[in-house]
Amino acid sequence: EDQVTQSPEALRLQEGESSSLNCSYTVSGLRGLFWYRQDPGKGPEFLFTLYSAGEEKEKERLKATLTKKESFLHITAPKPEDSATYLCAVQSNYQLIWGAGTKLIIKP
Amino acid sequence: KAGVTQTPRYLIKTRGQQVTLSCSPISGHRSVSWYQQTPGQGLQFLFEYFSETQRNKGNFPGRFSGRQFSNSRSEMNVSTLELGDSALYLCASSLNSEQYFGPGTRLTVT
Repeated sequence: EDQVTQSPEALRLQEGESSSLNCSYTVSGLRGLFWYRQDPGKGPEFLFTLYSAGEEKEKERLKATLTKKESFLHITAPKPEDSATYLCAVQSNYQLIWGAGTKLIIKP
Repeated sequence: KAGVTQTPRYLIKTRGQQVTLSCSPISGHRSVSWYQQTPGQGLQFLFEYFSETQRNKGNFPGRFSGRQFSNSRSEMNVSTLELGDSALYLCASSLNSEQYFGPGTRLTVT
């Protein structure tokens, strides 16, 4: 069965403390992996698309990487404005499957 | 380029009533997907429309329906509202694989 699991569910960091969020997946035929950021009460905001193992994408303090079984969203020297829920979604041959998200809190 | 717009932004309805939500996709995007988001369930896929045809459907009861017009604008309808239908309803449009979301409609059923 196709499945996407994000960990941890929540992560609290001090400003400047780098860390990584994980998105592990089991799907039949990966056609793309997507990362989104969602602020409370708003729609998800598209961040990255990754298509094949070894691919990396960067945007400001965020860097997304992809292997055959999982993706990492690395956040370097985060700031309080990086606080949000980060969602991962995987496009298989048949459907788009969403993870439950990781709630990231950055304390000043 | 204008983003995805959803109307209304907030809605309060009573159990048993019906509601219609509207979504205008990004210009040129022909695919529109609808999601329900609640704190306990996360993003739940409702359905996807492409060129006025429903292309995919999630596991929701028949009370939830939708349609797409020739200009790609989409509506979803929920009939016989239940308390559990209270949620943020999100619309996303796409051209290729990436989905771009609107701000959502916050529906409260009392």
